[in-house]
Amino acid sequence: AQSVTQPDIHITVSEGASLELRCNYSYGATPYLFWYVQSPGQGLQLLLKYFSGDTLVQGIKGFEAEFKRSQSSFNLRKPSVHWSDAAEYFCAVGQSGSARQLTFGSGTQLTVLP
Amino acid sequence: DAGVIQSPRHEVTEMGQEVTLRCKPISGHNSLFWYRQTMMRGLELLIYFNNNVPIDDSGMPEDRFSAKMPNASFSTLKIQPSEPRDSAVYFCASSGHNSGNTIYFGEGSWLTVV
Repeated sequence: AQSVTQPDIHITVSEGASLELRCNYSYGATPYLFWYVQSPGQGLQLLLKYFSGDTLVQGIKGFEAEFKRSQSSFNLRKPSVHWSDAAEYFCAVGQSGSARQLTFGSGTQLTVLP
Repeated sequence: DAGVIQSPRHEVTEMGQEVTLRCKPISGHNSLFWYRQTMMRGLELLIYFNNNVPIDDSGMPEDRFSAKMPNASFSTLKIQPSEPRDSAVYFCASSGHNSGNTIYFGEGSWLTVV
């Protein structure tokens, strides 16, 4: 069975600082990997996804993520955080060949200090 | 394009009442999902439809929950009778070949059962 671990429940960074959110997955084959962001009172918005090809994936809002098969990781990064990035971030893994069903991590809450 | 549309956005109901949540997927998507989000359990997949047919309902918590998809543009999730522990945010999501099988979420229905 597939699973996703986000080891950091809560992260606080200062505005302008760099950010890395960790995600580790467990899956027997090549996974489909996603990062979603959820602002308070809102639904989940897709930031980026990895299906195949280049292991460094660019997303919206200046985010990127790198797929590292050897480490079973798909960490999310941003070089300079903005106050509007404060939200909860979810990593998810789907079945290769069909990204229809996702297993979500427990989420990382990001606080941005002025 | 309109995204996934859910209604109601917020509902407060008394224990024992019937609750019906509604969802209109993105046009052209052939897969539809109902997720539940709580603080304790995070995001859980309740049920998944493909081409209007329920494929996996193993996440439906108990017989009080039922979901239908009478056509490609409409789905309902019903709770009868509702209980306080059903209080959660219920998300509908859809995907299809025209979205690269990426799952897009609605803004959620925030349910409070008192």
